[in-house]
Amino acid sequence: DIQMTQSPSSLSASVGDRVTITCRASQSINTYLNWYQQKPGKAPKLLIYAAFNLQRDVPSRFSGSGSGTDFTLTIRGLQPEDFATYYCQQSSSSQISFGGGTKVEIK
Amino acid sequence: EVHLVESGGGLVKPGGSLRLSCAASGFSVSDASMNWVRQAPGKGPEWIGRIKSKPDGATTDFAAPVKGRVSISRDESGNTLFLQMNNLKIEDTAVYFCTTDDLFGDYPMFVHWGLGTLVTVSS
Repeated sequence: DIQMTQSPSSLSASVGDRVTITCRASQSINTYLNWYQQKPGKAPKLLIYAAFNLQRDVPSRFSGSGSGTDFTLTIRGLQPEDFATYYCQQSSSSQISFGGGTKVEIK
Repeated sequence: EVHLVESGGGLVKPGGSLRLSCAASGFSVSDASMNWVRQAPGKGPEWIGRIKSKPDGATTDFAAPVKGRVSISRDESGNTLFLQMNNLKIEDTAVYFCTTDDLFGDYPMFVHWGLGTLVTVSS
C-alpha cells in the first residue's frame, strides 16, 4: 500500500501569510494527488485534483505542484476562512490513501 | 445538484453488524462509481471501499483493515448506496461518509460528500 506523509502536522500563521504544506508518497504516484480542506464537523472539500488543477469555485490563492513522490499545497495570502485542516490523497492505486493532515491555526 | 445523505449509524456492540445507507439525488448511483470513507475521532479520513459504476462492471475494492468484513451494494430503484459492516471492532468507531468517485481524465477524485453518519462500537 502507498503511504502518504504530510508535513508539518500543524502550523500557526497570520492572515496574509504564505503557507506551504508538503506531502510525500512512499512510491511514485505520477500526479495522482488530490488536496482537501476540512473544517470541524464538516466533510472534506476538494481543493486541488491531479496535483495542480484547481477545483471549480476554489479561490486562486490555492495552488498545487509536484509529481512522482513530492507534492506541495501553497496558500498565498491566507484568509480567515482558510484556517482548517488540509489532507492530501493519492488515487494512483486501487487502494486509495490519505495523508495524516496539516492543521493551519491562527497565530 | 448532487446531494448525498448518509444514515444508519448508531451504537453497536463489538462483533455486531450494521448497514449504512447513502441516499443520492441529482444523479443515478448505478451510473456512478462511489466510495465509503470514514474518519475516527480526531483522525484523518480513511478510505474503506469503492464500488465501480454498473457500466464499469460494478466491481468492488476494499481497504485491508475492513476487507472480508464489509460489502458495498446499490439499490437502483431507491437510488441508494449501502455499506454492510460485520464483526465490528472498537476501532471501527468513526463518522462514515459516502462520496462520488469523479474522474478528470483517468484521475479519480472525491468531489461530492455527504454529511456523514456516526458509528460507535462499544460494549
